[in-house]
Amino acid sequence: DSGVTQTPKHLITATGQRVTLRCSPRSGDLSVYWYQQSLDQGLQFLIQYYNGEERAKGNILERFSAQQFPDLHSELNLSSLELGDSALYFCASSFSPGTSVDEQFFGPGTRLTVL
Amino acid sequence: DQQVKQNSPSLSVQEGRISILNCDYTNSMFDYFLWYKKYPAEGPTFLISISSIKDKNEDGRFTVFLNKSAKHLSLHIVPSQPGDSAVYFCAASGSTTGANSKLTFGKGITLSVRP
Repeated sequence: DSGVTQTPKHLITATGQRVTLRCSPRSGDLSVYWYQQSLDQGLQFLIQYYNGEERAKGNILERFSAQQFPDLHSELNLSSLELGDSALYFCASSFSPGTSVDEQFFGPGTRLTVL
Repeated sequence: DQQVKQNSPSLSVQEGRISILNCDYTNSMFDYFLWYKKYPAEGPTFLISISSIKDKNEDGRFTVFLNKSAKHLSLHIVPSQPGDSAVYFCAASGSTTGANSKLTFGKGITLSVRP
C-alpha cells in the first residue's frame, strides 16, 4: 500500500459525459502527479501540482483539467468524453517537486471506460 | 512519438534463470532512468534507477545496465522468481529533480516466471 488513494476504482460512462477522478496523496506529500495509461501507450504524464499550484504539464488534452485543493487532494476532470479516453488513470505523490523522481508513490488507479 | 521504447511486449522465463528486460530511448536529453514494477490492480512501484554518469547499478537480484552511446538500458533479474511476474515499465527523466523530472514511460513488458 503506497498510501496514495484514488476514487473511484472503476468508472463507466458514455461519450460526451464529464467525470471527476479524485486522488488523496500520502500524508505529508505536497506534490501530485496525474498519469494516463491506455492500451496503445505507456504511462503518459498529464500534469503535476505542488501545494495547490500547477507545476508542469505533459500530454494533457484541453478537455481535461485538474486542480489541487488546500487539503492537498487533487481532482482530474475529464469532459466531452470520447471512446479513446478509456484508460487507467494513475495519481502519484511526492514530498516536493525537488524530490528525486524515484520517490513518486503511485495510487492503485481509476479505470475509466467510455461506452 | 515514443521516446522510450520497450519493443518486446512479453517475456517468459524459467524460475531460477536470468530475466533480461530491454529498453531503448531516443531523447539524448534524458539523464536518469528508472524501472517500475506493476502488479494487477496496483499502481507502479519503483524498483531501481541509474544515472547517466553510471553504466551499472545493482540492488540485490536486480541490476540495471546503461549504454548511453546506444541509448539502451536493460534490467537483469537473477535468479528470477515467480513473484517477479509483473509488468515492468522503463522510464526516463531529464533530471532527478526540478522541472525536468517528469517521467516518460515505455509501454511495459509483461514478465512471466514459470515455476
